[in-house]
Amino acid sequence: EAQVTQNPRYLITVTGKKLTVTCSQNMNHEYMSWYRQDPGLGLRQIYYSMNVEVTDKGDVPEGYKVSRKEKRNFPLILESPSPNQTSLYFCASRSTSAGANVLTFGAGSRLTVL
Amino acid sequence: AQSVTQLDSQVPVFEEAPVELRCNYSSSVSVYLFWYVQYPNQGLQLLLKYLSGSTLVESINGFEAEFNKSQTSFHLRKPSVHISDTAEYFCAVSEAFQGAQKLVFGQGTRLTINP
Repeated sequence: EAQVTQNPRYLITVTGKKLTVTCSQNMNHEYMSWYRQDPGLGLRQIYYSMNVEVTDKGDVPEGYKVSRKEKRNFPLILESPSPNQTSLYFCASRSTSAGANVLTFGAGSRLTVL
Repeated sequence: AQSVTQLDSQVPVFEEAPVELRCNYSSSVSVYLFWYVQYPNQGLQLLLKYLSGSTLVESINGFEAEFNKSQTSFHLRKPSVHISDTAEYFCAVSEAFQGAQKLVFGQGTRLTINP
């Protein structure tokens, strides 16, 4: 089944404790992206990647890092989490082929930073 | 840069009633438009999209949206809703070219269906 898989789905952590949210897709998509969803704000893009070793900032990149060493994986790294990073995070991917404009989303990772 | 405004944060309706979820966008270039749906505790799924051609687009579950360039709108409608339509709906816009790097989302509209 074509899908985007995120882990963990739920995580409670404390301020300053480094964490990584993994994202993997099995569709050979070039483009991958991370969003955070907050009430009343919709989804905001954190980082995106057009292909392996090519990443760029989205609208809200502060406090986050990403890497794209393999085509299928796009982990989101919080080096020193803070309470304002408590949110619901979504990873998404799509092909960059002509006519392929639709993102496929993972199920989400709910992060709480105490 | 593009922006999207969903005019209603919550819309309560009775089952079998019609519904319209409003979406307005702002852009200085041509756009692609999307509606995504998020069912409780799930990720987002594409509901329908406008890329080009007919301004009226339909989904397989009875929703439709009309691209109105003069009013910069892409409102979502359904003539008769079901309990299973309870979800949050997001309107989104991107620049109208293949290499578009960003999909900008609206704030979301929570649709609640009452029996």
